[in-house]
Amino acid sequence: DTAVSQTPKYLVTQMGNDKSIKCEQNLGHDTMYWYKQDSKKFLKIMFSYNNKELIINETVPNRFSPKSPDKAHLNLHINSLELGDSAVYFCASSGPGGELFFGEGSRLTVL
Amino acid sequence: GENVGLHLPTLSVQEGDNSIINCAYSNSASDYFIWYKQESGKGPQFIIDIRSNMDKRQGQRVTVLLNKTVKHLSLQIAATQPGDSAVYFCAENRGGADGLTFGKGTHLIIQP
Repeated sequence: DTAVSQTPKYLVTQMGNDKSIKCEQNLGHDTMYWYKQDSKKFLKIMFSYNNKELIINETVPNRFSPKSPDKAHLNLHINSLELGDSAVYFCASSGPGGELFFGEGSRLTVL
Repeated sequence: GENVGLHLPTLSVQEGDNSIINCAYSNSASDYFIWYKQESGKGPQFIIDIRSNMDKRQGQRVTVLLNKTVKHLSLQIAATQPGDSAVYFCAENRGGADGLTFGKGTHLIIQP
């Protein structure tokens, strides 16, 4: 009965490919996020969606595009993958109090 | 054991001792702070939070202290156990729709 679930957990792919990571939350939260964690464990916000509207778009390449079919889902699509995209990507959601609930992460390795 | 700011990313303590993890936050307008624990291969998990109208909050074996004057946050873990081994992050909410901004993290290692 996972609150925030994301798939796949591991993703290994070649440079130039396009890939997607899916995220679903069953907490009824209005806002969902994508964070990127680099090799030094630094967590940086990439996007957030509130009621299907993009409200933050940090300075990430436009090869990254979040897609939200409904309030419970926020998927991350990445085009033309580069070596520097290798990282762990975390989906999260937040309720009115502001506390974030994270998924287990998706480790992306670009070869 | 005590970690001084974010310049010591690894903190090693003896099992049973108390641990203190420190964090310097950046925005004086931040009104909400959270400590997260991240175990290997997992996502960050909520430990304890505190709002800016408080200076101390206690949970089970954990205490968070907030000093707004110097923009400093600390997490105290009492009687550290092997299961406390993880990376600990402080996070601040700067208001608006920006979500949480995370600090660099401290890796807590428990020595038997």
